[in-house]
Amino acid sequence: TQLLEQSPQFLSIQEGENLTVYCNSSSVFSSLQWYRQEPGEGPVLLVTVVTGGEVKKLKRLTFQFGDARKDSSLHITAAQPGDTGLYLCAGEGNYGQNFVFGPGTRLSVLP
Amino acid sequence: ETGVTQTPRHLVMGMTNKKSLKCEQHLGHNAMYWYKQSAKKPLELMFVYSLEERVENNSVPSRFSPECPNSSHLFLHLHTLQPEDSALYLCASSQGAGTGNTIYFGEGSWLTVV
Repeated sequence: TQLLEQSPQFLSIQEGENLTVYCNSSSVFSSLQWYRQEPGEGPVLLVTVVTGGEVKKLKRLTFQFGDARKDSSLHITAAQPGDTGLYLCAGEGNYGQNFVFGPGTRLSVLP
Repeated sequence: ETGVTQTPRHLVMGMTNKKSLKCEQHLGHNAMYWYKQSAKKPLELMFVYSLEERVENNSVPSRFSPECPNSSHLFLHLHTLQPEDSALYLCASSQGAGTGNTIYFGEGSWLTVV
């Protein structure tokens, strides 16, 4: 069974700070997706990374897929209160298996 | 608005009740999913339907019964649930159920079993 771990589990920072959250596995994934989920809502897709070493930027968010396609990181520059939420990573297996979700990192950005 | 609509958004039911959750997707996708999200647990895949055919059932108790009458609609019928079944139930869809597909989630149905 493929498992994903995310760290840290909780993160509380001040507005304007930078942060990085991590998604790790011992398994190789064909792709990896990052979602943000706000309280009471469903997860919303932020990005999909497919190629080992790939870096994607979405405004102040930078996503990187590890060279071996086993891990990923999300870096947020100058965090804002609107970035508050649960950040989930989801890995897609190599053989058509469905996505496996990590437990998430709960981010709180204080004004 | 993600194109996946779930109703009701909130549901409180007794352990002897029968209720249903409904999901509708307006994205023209061929695959639909039910996930369960509990506090302190990762998202758990419950059921996958591809072209209205169930392709995965992750050892879900029979008190949860899915129904997919067409590729746009998915139901989760609930019967004699337990308090530990209280959770956020998320519906999702994707173009296909194989590799390379992006999953789009609905806003979820909060279920409380009393």
